[in-house]
Amino acid sequence: GAGVSQTPSNKVTEKGKYVELRCDPISGHTALYWYRQSLGQGPEFLIYFQGTGAADDSGLPNDRFFAVRPEGSVSTLKIQRTERGDSAVYLCASRSGTDNSPLHFGNGTRLTVT
Amino acid sequence: QKEVEQNSGPLSVPEGAIASLNCTYSDRGSQSFFWYRQYSGKSPELIMFIYSNGDKEDGRFTAQLNKASQYVSLLIRDSQPSDSATYLCAVNPTIKAAGNKLTFGGGTRVLVKP
Repeated sequence: GAGVSQTPSNKVTEKGKYVELRCDPISGHTALYWYRQSLGQGPEFLIYFQGTGAADDSGLPNDRFFAVRPEGSVSTLKIQRTERGDSAVYLCASRSGTDNSPLHFGNGTRLTVT
Repeated sequence: QKEVEQNSGPLSVPEGAIASLNCTYSDRGSQSFFWYRQYSGKSPELIMFIYSNGDKEDGRFTAQLNKASQYVSLLIRDSQPSDSATYLCAVNPTIKAAGNKLTFGGGTRVLVKP
């Protein structure tokens, strides 16, 4: 596709519910990243995939958060038992995987937990 | 101490003047540095990257890197109202490992007044 696509653009859910956020990276990009951005803050790293495998998941805050990328393209970020503190914009980014390639960000999913 | 620090601003600049943004980082082994611009409600977009000490110019933007002082800056010449945005500094720990995550600062909000 032309750019990184994230769906939904907005998600409102009740505390305790399960949510899935989807990211469709730029075609051919092997590396995919999830970040979380709270109001007035910079993006905070969550997890990075190289191909199908999670190469670095050190940023996931706890075991309620999980992400998959089963075919090495689309990725889904899953959040169980959502809490109000999970409310943020979840950004997905991809890069071609070459040494100096920049991250290309999607427009994000704004998650609100009520 | 945060890994990447920026003054949150806002930095108010008259139209046509130079805006100077600063960023310091704590990991002395950091190798590559990026500046992203983020308009309100939008995703970050790459402006420049720099790897070597010294200056790098691209149009109205100049990035400056001083690894000894662990300091990177961005100058915006002839500032325009359309430059009003939040500018994010991001650091990658190694130039060779393309998969390494970027660590972002909190961003500096710039306001260019006509």
